Amino acid sequence: DAGVIQSPRHEVTEMGQEVTLRCKPISGHNSLFWYRQTMMRGLELLIYFNNNVPIDDSGMPEDRFSAKMPNASFSTLKIQPSEPRDSAVYFCASSLRITGGNEQFFGPGTRLTVL
Amino acid sequence: QQPVQSPQAVILREGEDAVINCSSSKALYSVHWYRQKHGEAPVFLMILLKGGEQKGHEKISASFNEKKQQSSLYLTASQLSYSGTYFCGTEISNQGGKLIFGQGTELSVKP
Repeated sequence: DAGVIQSPRHEVTEMGQEVTLRCKPISGHNSLFWYRQTMMRGLELLIYFNNNVPIDDSGMPEDRFSAKMPNASFSTLKIQPSEPRDSAVYFCASSLRITGGNEQFFGPGTRLTVL
Repeated sequence: QQPVQSPQAVILREGEDAVINCSSSKALYSVHWYRQKHGEAPVFLMILLKGGEQKGHEKISASFNEKKQQSSLYLTASQLSYSGTYFCGTEISNQGGKLIFGQGTELSVKP
């Protein structure tokens, strides 16, 4: 398997622009997680889906952030409008959830820079 | 709610041992350990479940004290490849895989 795929790998944009990050989970996995990593705040869970349904979005910083999972093989994280404080590495991870305690496989991340 | 890791950083010589601790203020369902090298994604090391079950690599050992809500990761006979930042992720209940990660412990192994 190719692992979790994220695109783009790097994104540089200007404040106010819309940014869309994309994720393809590992085939057969039924859970998908979006994380944000910064030096100041560490690795934060933004939102996660089980069977394409959003379960917990309490980590989404504000209404400028939205995430969708239209099918089992694709998810997007959108920031509109973007701000400099959104600059971070955004990771997508997937897992096969049968019971609790399932390892998560992380994608390579998208490094976002908002000028 | 974020678990607390200690130490924040440690420097070792090859062959030395290290212990990284993770402590939570909440009752835990499981503890996950990941290692992240600079510029890369976190990589799974081990899961410790309430009740004693463990999943992970044979060369990595860890413990989970359910009464104290603490976990420790044991790195023995360290190698240069062990360098990186180690994160524990805690799962409070069987609620879909939601993990809260600690702030990380930076481990440097020198020759």
